[in-house]
Amino acid sequence: SAVISQKPSRDICQRGTSLTIQCQVDSQVTMMFWYRQQPGQSLTLIATANQGSEATYESGFVIDKFPISRPNLTFSTLTVSNMSPEDSSIYLCSVVVGSTEAFFGQGTRLTVV
Amino acid sequence: QQQVKQSPQSLIVQKGGISIINCAYENTAFDYFPWYQQFPGKGPALLIAIRPDVSEKKEGRFTISFNKSAKQFSLHIMDSQPGDSATYFCAASRDYKLSFGAGTTVTVRA
Repeated sequence: SAVISQKPSRDICQRGTSLTIQCQVDSQVTMMFWYRQQPGQSLTLIATANQGSEATYESGFVIDKFPISRPNLTFSTLTVSNMSPEDSSIYLCSVVVGSTEAFFGQGTRLTVV
Repeated sequence: QQQVKQSPQSLIVQKGGISIINCAYENTAFDYFPWYQQFPGKGPALLIAIRPDVSEKKEGRFTISFNKSAKQFSLHIMDSQPGDSATYFCAASRDYKLSFGAGTTVTVRA
């Protein structure tokens, strides 16, 4: 398995501002992803964080709104830009260990007011 | 468009009973099917997973049944305990990317 640390664990932000979420893994991993979980709902994949290259975004998510960095194999950041109340969600970092097992961080609970 | 359909939305079971959650998928390119357990305020925790070439996998009180021809799979929680009260998500993976079901909230009554 892997130990995944996310910071901050929660935040309350003003609309129009940006928040950067950090994800730190205790071992080098090839595959790292960012998911969103809207209140009371399921998880949706935002993007694949690629080390050394631009992230790969899923349909409905764009780089201008959710810029992602992945400077090395243990760390990534997700920025939620120009926030609106609709961005209030839990944002989760996930890594794949071994051939298939995906593990999640505790998540960052974001409230936009 | 939800690629993985999960039911029921919620269920209540007595302590010692069996909880059954069902999922169905359409995309035959999915090659790995995990189940996650999530408690309030926590991230999802991997519970058990199966590949499509296996029809059943059991780990302790948790069993996955997989029907490849029907494109359906299910989670059985045997001897349900109050500590099993949580939200359970099925998922399907393609290229390591997970598509999740809507989730099932399980409540175990003591």
